[in-house]
Amino acid sequence: AAGVIQSPRHLIKEKRETATLKCYPIPRHDTVYWYQQGPGQDPQFLISFYEKMQSDKGSIPDRFSAQQFSDYHSELNMSSLELGDSALYFCASSSRTITGELFFGEGSRLTVL
Amino acid sequence: AQSVTQLDSQVPVFEEAPVELRCNYSSSVSVYLFWYVQYPNQGLQLLLKYLSGSTLVESINGFEAEFNKSQTSFHLRKPSVHISDTAEYFCAVKKSGGSNYKLTFGKGTLLTVNP
Repeated sequence: AAGVIQSPRHLIKEKRETATLKCYPIPRHDTVYWYQQGPGQDPQFLISFYEKMQSDKGSIPDRFSAQQFSDYHSELNMSSLELGDSALYFCASSSRTITGELFFGEGSRLTVL
Repeated sequence: AQSVTQLDSQVPVFEEAPVELRCNYSSSVSVYLFWYVQYPNQGLQLLLKYLSGSTLVESINGFEAEFNKSQTSFHLRKPSVHISDTAEYFCAVKKSGGSNYKLTFGKGTLLTVNP
């Protein structure tokens, strides 16, 4: 079965650079979520989109932005990168037809040098 | 808002011993409860979930969790662990009723199974 696809899997950037992460949800899923997991930390909710509209916002820095496109894929844009942005970024998707469950991608590991 | 407390950050056990990973939650509304497992350098995999009905839920690999509303707990148990169960376990909660509500995770419990 198709899963949530994230790209790139690994990304290395310098401070003050910009990075873009992509997420392709499971087909026919209508909600996408972004989470950030720092080293040894629990996943922290950043932002979510339901039917291409922002549905909830968590601890997402102002330097970050995200959107969901007409094909339901989502992109997380991160600018003015800081060392503290080094983390594993997870995308998840869900569907109203499967009660409750979020399906997670394998994550994109961002390293800021 | 919902919150999750995992009472133990690390749980070391020997192989074939029983284990319990504790999880308590706080919420003013009805919730769904989940346990996710994360193996080293991997993503989050759903282990089991409680949505409604029977308060005891089981996974295919021998784990079970019991929802206790009065104690607001959702502890994870396994009667006999294997080396391969070594992983980080996250308890998570989300508001019930909406398909697009976010998950809130606990801090995680690192289960280390020793030979």
